[in-house]
Amino acid sequence: AQKITQTQPGMFVQEKEAVTLDCTYDTSDPSYGLFWYKQPSSGEMIFLIYQGSYDQQNATEGRYSLNFQKARKSANLVISASQLGDSAMYFCAMRPWPQGGSEKLVFGKGTKLTVNP
Amino acid sequence: DSGVTQTPKHLITATGQRVTLRCSPRSGDLSVYWYQQSLDQGLQFLIHYYNGEERAKGNILERFSAQQFPDLHSELNLSSLELGDSALYFCASSVATGGYGYTFGSGTRLTVV
Repeated sequence: AQKITQTQPGMFVQEKEAVTLDCTYDTSDPSYGLFWYKQPSSGEMIFLIYQGSYDQQNATEGRYSLNFQKARKSANLVISASQLGDSAMYFCAMRPWPQGGSEKLVFGKGTKLTVNP
Repeated sequence: DSGVTQTPKHLITATGQRVTLRCSPRSGDLSVYWYQQSLDQGLQFLIHYYNGEERAKGNILERFSAQQFPDLHSELNLSSLELGDSALYFCASSVATGGYGYTFGSGTRLTVV
């Protein structure tokens, strides 16, 4: 079974500073994908960044980067230069790649990020 | 606009009733996934359809059922509703099995009173 653990229920950061949101995962699948989603108070799920288990380099998307440490099974999200609009829930998710199976996402419990002015 | 359309956005209904949630996937996407988000259970996978066929079931109650139609839209039917069914129900779509791009709809917030 796959499991995602986000140990920080809430995080606070000052505007313009960087913040790291932790995510560890557990899987026996040799291939998998890791995702981060943002959920603002309005409720929609917004895709931020993706990392494949065989990708050699850490993924980056604008101010978002994923610090992927495969041996430690961690996939932390780094947000640089935080903005007030970054205040939201952040979910780490994993998608195993079983042969012939379903590509469902397994989500962590989420981290609530608050950016202070 | 993500391209995935969910209707209705909000739904308030009484216990024991039946409701239908609708999802239109992004153009070209063949896979539709349903997820339930509640305060106590977090985001839980319910069911996955690919091109009209059921591919996988997750923590979906027997009172719940879903289908994907030939035009690829999907419906999630919830019956004999209980207070605990109150949640945000998401639909997500992706191009095909094996692709990693998921796009979520804005969700349907169901309140059972």
